[in-house]
Amino acid sequence: GENVEQHPSTLSVQEGDSAVIKCTYSDSASNYFPWYKQELGKRPQLIIDIRSNVGEKKDQRIAVTLNKTAKHFSLHITETQPEDSAVYFCAASPGGSYIPTFGRGTSLIVHP
Amino acid sequence: GAVVSQHPSRVICKSGTSVKIECRSLDFQATTMFWYRQFPKQSLMLMATSNEGSKATYEQGVEKDKFLINHASLTLSTLTVTSAHPEDSSFYICSASGLAADHSYNEQFFGPGTRLTVL
Repeated sequence: GENVEQHPSTLSVQEGDSAVIKCTYSDSASNYFPWYKQELGKRPQLIIDIRSNVGEKKDQRIAVTLNKTAKHFSLHITETQPEDSAVYFCAASPGGSYIPTFGRGTSLIVHP
Repeated sequence: GAVVSQHPSRVICKSGTSVKIECRSLDFQATTMFWYRQFPKQSLMLMATSNEGSKATYEQGVEKDKFLINHASLTLSTLTVTSAHPEDSSFYICSASGLAADHSYNEQFFGPGTRLTVL
């Protein structure tokens, strides 16, 4: 089955800095890569996703890149703000009727 | 995005009792629902996949007789934790799955979660 590795487990940055979270996956059949943000005690919320026919996708301060050859994808947050503090999960899915496999999560702390 | 509700949001019970958690997709029909368990500062661990009208598929290590799942309709799945013990205390999250418009992948929509505390 799919195996998703996520790094780092904890990331601490100053407000205004950029943050990068990296994930690797094992199943070359995976073609859908969502990223979720989970605030303490709340549900995971989809913040951005990318499909295998796209190398990069951007939405305001958030961007995701995908390298299918190397089987890795990354989340980039620019101009971080304290409200960006949360746990971020990457996931990979073979698509169709398959469900995503989640990474272990990255706790992002943005210091004012 | 689609709306998934979960009830109750938190429950405290005594050891040995059973607790039922409901998961509803409010504005779409979900042929598949998923139940996750999340311990503090850890990732989402899939417990089981629930398909409407059929038996749930449990992940390895999850006791099907302890975590009873029923998916009686396209909008409702229930998880019953039977004879709960303190080690069952956790955050339980359901999600409902529907195909994207181009049918190329499954979108997942999460419920708000249920905080279970077993005394």
